Amino acid sequence: QSALTQPASMSGSPGQSITISCTGTRSDVGAWNYVSWYQQHAGKVPKLIIYDVSKRPSGVSDRFSGSKSGNTASLTISGLQAGDEADYYCNSYARDDKYVFGTGTKVTVL
Amino acid sequence: QVQLVQSGAEVKKPGASVKVSCKASGYNFIKYAMHWVRQAPGQRLEWMGWINAGNGDTRYSQKFQGRVTITRDTSATTAYMDLSGLNSEDTAVYYCVRNEWGTCYFDYWAQGTLITVSS
Repeated sequence: QSALTQPASMSGSPGQSITISCTGTRSDVGAWNYVSWYQQHAGKVPKLIIYDVSKRPSGVSDRFSGSKSGNTASLTISGLQAGDEADYYCNSYARDDKYVFGTGTKVTVL
Repeated sequence: QVQLVQSGAEVKKPGASVKVSCKASGYNFIKYAMHWVRQAPGQRLEWMGWINAGNGDTRYSQKFQGRVTITRDTSATTAYMDLSGLNSEDTAVYYCVRNEWGTCYFDYWAQGTLITVSS
């Protein structure tokens, strides 16, 4: 199972919006609506911010939103804040009850 | 409250095996799956496998098939990840991660265990 493809880095100014893509295949992202996203601040444990493509866990800011089209899922961060500077990873359920993570995207707030 | 607490950091020689434990508390252990995810220094998250804590069924990433064994002790509400044939590329932080049965996301992560493989 190959890793899902994400851009290595993205940046934006405070208040701007950015969208991180996560490209898989018909065997993972394209097959089920089971994409989740995780935020990992430097030196910290990852945190769930989006599940089932577009749902937010309780307590997660509504500035984070998710979507999917075909084999590509996306995470949008609106109103970028300094605290959003982190690494972001997508994950998808894949066939045979397995999972795969994305390559990760480092978000920098300028 | 949900807590996942892993065993401490270890240093292993190439070719050795390591067993990491993950003690769960604050929820019904057998109604969840436990996954293992690793992250080499400066690298991405990598899914290794999972165990259904209720019936013991397991699934492993093809990359680790044959080298990894995930088990659990329901009486101790603890999951274990055993990785054999260690080499320097296995140096990483290993996380146990909870997944509610019937869902496909990881809602609680343990603090991680650093395994260093060095001669």
